[in-house]
Amino acid sequence: EVQLLESGGGLVQPGGSLRLFCAASGFTFSSYPMNWVRQAPGKGLEWVSAIGDNGRFTYYADSVKGRFTISRDNSKNTLYLQMSSLRAEDTAIYYCARRPYQSGVDYWGQGTLVTVSS
Amino acid sequence: DIQMTQSPSSLSTSVGHRVTITCRASQGISNDLAWFQQKPGKAPKSLIYAASNLQSGVPSKFSGGGSGTDFTLTISSLQPEDFATYYCQQYNSYPFTFGQGTRLEIE
Repeated sequence: EVQLLESGGGLVQPGGSLRLFCAASGFTFSSYPMNWVRQAPGKGLEWVSAIGDNGRFTYYADSVKGRFTISRDNSKNTLYLQMSSLRAEDTAIYYCARRPYQSGVDYWGQGTLVTVSS
Repeated sequence: DIQMTQSPSSLSTSVGHRVTITCRASQGISNDLAWFQQKPGKAPKSLIYAASNLQSGVPSKFSGGGSGTDFTLTISSLQPEDFATYYCQQYNSYPFTFGQGTRLEIE
């Protein structure tokens, strides 16, 4: 059974940093590109970042470019999102999602809440 | 960036009815389109990929169509568990973008 389990969310002050984790199981993690998607309170879904299966290629939304870094450790079956220079508008539930090549997202984690507030 | 526009933004209808939601891309995306369902307080659920292919385990009451810039999601014989918010997303080019969502409510 495919499982994606996010962690690392919490309360952080504006300008602060946080690292999110997504532990994957039930599939060959190293064979799949992965995405981060977020949802601000009461708002729609926003794509944040993506990484290829070997970690060589990364992509970002303009809203987070230069502040967030996506990475992965295939030996640990873990996806990361390093977030810095956090702003109030980064407050959201962050989901990790598996996206097979040339296909849409098929599995989602349960999400982890990040709150940026003083 | 490719803009995705869903219509309507909200829709009220009754159990047993059929509904169609539309998603329009600001430029051609071939069939690189997915649909998702989200219920309050829950993670999204994947329904359709490549515009018309059902994800594993998704019932055939859900169907998708379209190519290029115009796409549809049709849900037949609505049941109480189908009332949720639906999103489209293009994955033709980065940044991948979502539609604003369509909230489906019981009339």
